[in-house]
Amino acid sequence: LAKTTQPISMDSYEGQEVNITCSHNNIATNDYITWYQQFPSQGPRFIIQGYKTKVTNEVASLFIPADRKSSTLSLPRVSLSDTAVYYCLVNLGDTGRRALTFGSGTRLQVQP
Amino acid sequence: SQTIHQWPATLVQPVGSPLSLECTVEGTSNPNLYWYRQAAGRGLQLLFYSVGIGQISSEVPQNLSASRPQDRQFILSSKKLLLSDSGFYLCAWSKGSSYGYTFGSGTRLTVV
Repeated sequence: LAKTTQPISMDSYEGQEVNITCSHNNIATNDYITWYQQFPSQGPRFIIQGYKTKVTNEVASLFIPADRKSSTLSLPRVSLSDTAVYYCLVNLGDTGRRALTFGSGTRLQVQP
Repeated sequence: SQTIHQWPATLVQPVGSPLSLECTVEGTSNPNLYWYRQAAGRGLQLLFYSVGIGQISSEVPQNLSASRPQDRQFILSSKKLLLSDSGFYLCAWSKGSSYGYTFGSGTRLTVV
C-alpha cells in the first residue's frame, strides 16, 4: 500500500483558507486519493476523493498534480467547527478486498 | 439510505472478562465490513475486514477475533480482555475501497 506523509498539526484562524498537503511518492496507477475528517470521539467522515487534477465539492477542493505524488486538501474560509483531524489515504480504485490504512493524520486547530 | 449501527457506545470491562461488540448495516447488501481501533491521540489501526459472510481477514495478531454470521452483521470478540485492549473501536462499511468508508459512532472500551 502506498505510504502517505502529512504534517502532524496545523493552526489557522476563522475565515482563512487552509491547505493541507499530503505526500504519496509511491502511489500506484490504480490508486485514488481520499481525505477523511474526524472529530473527537467520532468515526472519520469521508470528505473528498480524486484521481488527478482538481475535484471540488460543497466542503473542500482537492488538488492533484500531474505526477500524483502529492495532493492538497483545500478548506475555504474555515470556521471553528473545522477543528478536527484530517487523514489522507490512497486506495485501490476497484471493488477489491484491500482495506484502508489510516495514518496519524493532520490535527487542524482553528482559532477565533 | 444506508445506516450503520454500533453498540454499545461506552463499555467498562474488567481484565479477563469477555467482549462482544456488534455492528450492523442497513440499506445495502454484501458490504465490505471493517473493525478499527484507535488509541488516544493516535490514528486508526485496522483490525479485521470482511468481504462476505464467514470471510474474515486479520491485519494484526492480537487478543481479538471477528465474525460475520450474517451479511450485514460484524462482531468483534475477545475471550479474555487485556488492559491493552482499551481504546476506541470503530466499525465501518463500504462497497469497495474506492467508494469511501462510512463509520459507525464507535465504542469506547476501557479495560480496568
